[in-house]
Amino acid sequence: TQLLEQSPQFLSIQEGENLTVYCNSSSVFSSLQWYRQEPGEGPVLLVTVVTGGEVKKLKRLTFQFGDARKDSSLHITAAQPGDTGLYLCAGCYGGSQGNLIFGKGTKLSVKP
Amino acid sequence: DAMVIQNPRYQVTQFGKPVTLSCSQTLNHNVMYWYQQKSSQAPKLLFHYYDKDFNNEADTPDNFQSRRPNTSFCFLDIRSPGLGDAAMYLCATSRGGGLETQYFGPGTRLLVL
Repeated sequence: TQLLEQSPQFLSIQEGENLTVYCNSSSVFSSLQWYRQEPGEGPVLLVTVVTGGEVKKLKRLTFQFGDARKDSSLHITAAQPGDTGLYLCAGCYGGSQGNLIFGKGTKLSVKP
Repeated sequence: DAMVIQNPRYQVTQFGKPVTLSCSQTLNHNVMYWYQQKSSQAPKLLFHYYDKDFNNEADTPDNFQSRRPNTSFCFLDIRSPGLGDAAMYLCATSRGGGLETQYFGPGTRLLVL
């Protein structure tokens, strides 16, 4: 059974601080997706990483896929209150169906 | 423009009264998924359709059924909702499985009285 461990589960920081969220697994994923979800809404895709060692940047967000494609990280620089939300990583283990395994999520609160 | 649409956004039903949630997509994607998400938890896959092929997760209760009459629409039927079925229900689509990214709708929040 593939599992995706996401940490930390909760994070409360002040505006301007940096933070990193981690997703780790013992399984190899064909791709990994990061989503951000606000209360009462569906997850919104931030990025998909596919290649081992890949780094993608989205403004103040930096996403990295581990060389072995078993882990990933999301780093936010100079967090803002608008970054508040639930961050979910989801690993795809391929196959024809492309089912995702979700981490439990990181609930981020950025205080002004 | 919305690509994955879910109606209604909020649904209230009574204990044991059948309820249907709907999802439509304008992406012409082959795969449609239904997830259940309870408070402060990750989405849990219930089942998905690859075109007309239905794939049920092993631990999805029989109380949950799905229909996909055409490419654009997919329905989630809860035959006899219990209090434990109150949750956010998320629909997602992907082009063809495999490496394909999943795109989520805004969800329907179900309340069971």
